[in-house]
Amino acid sequence: EDKVVQSPLSLVVHEGDTVTLNCSYEVTNFRSLLWYKQEKKAPTFLFMLTSSGIEKKSGRLSSILDKKELFSILNITATQTGDSAIYLCAVTGGGNKLTFGTGTQLKVEL
Amino acid sequence: KAGVTQTPRYLIKTRGQQVTLSCSPISGHRSVSWYQQTPGQGLQFLFEYFSETQRNKGNFPGRFSGRQFSNSRSEMNVSTLELGDSALYLCASSFIAGGPNEQFFGPGTRLTVL
Repeated sequence: EDKVVQSPLSLVVHEGDTVTLNCSYEVTNFRSLLWYKQEKKAPTFLFMLTSSGIEKKSGRLSSILDKKELFSILNITATQTGDSAIYLCAVTGGGNKLTFGTGTQLKVEL
Repeated sequence: KAGVTQTPRYLIKTRGQQVTLSCSPISGHRSVSWYQQTPGQGLQFLFEYFSETQRNKGNFPGRFSGRQFSNSRSEMNVSTLELGDSALYLCASSFIAGGPNEQFFGPGTRLTVL
């Protein structure tokens, strides 16, 4: 059975800090790893990483995929209060089925 | 381009009733997947539809069913509702079935079973 483990479960930082969120996985026939941001609503797509795209960057957010060690990290630099959310990591094996981790709850304080 | 839409946004039902939820994917997207989100279990996969066919199914009882129409809109149905079915039901839209491809979520339907 596919499995995704995220760490830490939660963390509190101050504005301007840099954070690193971790995601390790076990999946049969790995196809992709996706990161989502969830506030008080539905998950918002951030990145998709695959064998052909193991590093992504968008503004202050970046992510890398290590297919050998079966993990990914999501970095957020110069954090802002608007970054406060739950960050979800998910993987796909065959098909479009997403297997999610429990998420990392990030709180950014002034 | 309009995003994924789900209706209704909120629903209150009583035990034993049944409910139908609707999802319209992003224009041009043909794959629709459904997920249940609860505080205790997180996000769990229900099923995926592509070209009106169920391609994959999660570990949910037969009370949970779905279908997809020729315009790619999808519905899911839950019969004989139980208290534990209270959850946020999310659908995700993607361009094709299989992968890898980006999946985008709708706003969800918040179901409360009393």
